[in-house]
Amino acid sequence: AQRVTQPEKLLSVFKGAPVELKCNYSYSGSPELFWYVQYSRQRLQLLLRHISRESIKGFTADLNKGETSFHLKKPFAQEEDSAMYYCALRHSGGSNYKLTFGKGTLLTVNP
Amino acid sequence: DTGVSQDPRHKITKRGQNVTFRCDPISEHNRLYWYRQTLGQGPEFLTYFQNEAQLEKSRLLSDRFSAERPKGSFSTLEIQRTEQGDSAMYLCASGVSKNTEAFFGQGTRLTVV
Repeated sequence: AQRVTQPEKLLSVFKGAPVELKCNYSYSGSPELFWYVQYSRQRLQLLLRHISRESIKGFTADLNKGETSFHLKKPFAQEEDSAMYYCALRHSGGSNYKLTFGKGTLLTVNP
Repeated sequence: DTGVSQDPRHKITKRGQNVTFRCDPISEHNRLYWYRQTLGQGPEFLTYFQNEAQLEKSRLLSDRFSAERPKGSFSTLEIQRTEQGDSAMYLCASGVSKNTEAFFGQGTRLTVV
């Protein structure tokens, strides 16, 4: 069965420090991985997806199929990065509309 | 705001009552999804519409839950005979077939007392 694991519920770093939010997945097919972010009192929104291989707001994430991981990284955290981050997996094949989310990691960037 | 719109934003109801939520997707989005999110969890898939057709319902969606998208535009999610376990945030999202991104609404928070 498909599963997305975010081992850290809470992550606290200081401004300017590197940050890494961990995500591991379990899926038998060829998944597409995403990171969604929810800032305080805002809606859930897409941050980045692995197929784009882009950097958004300084964040990057590389899909490691060998380790079944999709960790989110940023070299220098900013206070405005404080938010809830969800890793999500899009199913392949006939159910390619469905997302499975992890439980989320609350990132706090301290001044 | 031209994003996905959900109404109401908050709903408090007594156990056993019926409730109905509405979702207006982004115009011309043919895909519409409902997710449920409880405290400490990520969103969980409930159901999916492509245009007006409901193509999948999760096991999470008991027979007390029904969703419709009659004209392929807005959607409603009804919960009959609400239970305290139904208390959650109900999220609607929309998208287009050729783009895998799902655009989420702000959700309807249901509290069953």
